[in-house]
Amino acid sequence: EADIYQTPRYLVIGTGKKITLECSQTMGHDKMYWYQQDPGMELHLIHYSYGVNSTEKGDLSSESTVSRIRTEHFPLTLESARPSHTSQYLCAAGTGQMRNEQFFGPGTRLTVL
Amino acid sequence: AQSVTQPDIHITVSEGASLELRCNYSYGATPYLFWYVQSPGQGLQLLLKYFSGDTLVQGIKGFEAEFKRSQSSFNLRKPSVHWSDAAEYFCAVGDTFKTIFGAGTRLFVKA
Repeated sequence: EADIYQTPRYLVIGTGKKITLECSQTMGHDKMYWYQQDPGMELHLIHYSYGVNSTEKGDLSSESTVSRIRTEHFPLTLESARPSHTSQYLCAAGTGQMRNEQFFGPGTRLTVL
Repeated sequence: AQSVTQPDIHITVSEGASLELRCNYSYGATPYLFWYVQSPGQGLQLLLKYFSGDTLVQGIKGFEAEFKRSQSSFNLRKPSVHWSDAAEYFCAVGDTFKTIFGAGTRLFVKA
């Protein structure tokens, strides 16, 4: 089972700021994901990666960007935060096997004022 | 279109009573099936999964789920609910490349 870490856990910032949400995992899983979660809604996939130097946009349009320079690290960056970015962001790592079982971090709750 | 439906937005059960959370899906082939639980302020924790074989699967914390292909369902059950089970539960279906999550069912447990 992967250990997934996300920092910060809570972030309140002003409009226009650049922010990076950190995500790291310790088990060497190739697949990593970022989801956006709003209350009462399903999780929406915004970015994913199948390995180092591989990144793809997910089903939900997002103004964020990601990078995957190391297997264990998958940060998400917002160049200019807006109130519409207020949400919970969940990072996950999936096994490299066929079944794609995913393990989730605790999440970052972002509030943009 | 691929989708996951959890018909109940919230459910309230008494402590000690049995529980069933419903999940229906629409998918091109038999997908991999998952149930996750999320406590307030936390990420999702995997409760159980179905890949193939026996259609009744056991998970952690005393939960089980049954895959019914004819009904495209994967309902979660627990015979006796504890107050600590109060949380949000997500059904998910997927394949090697992607996973789709339902909107969740929030479980309230009353004493």
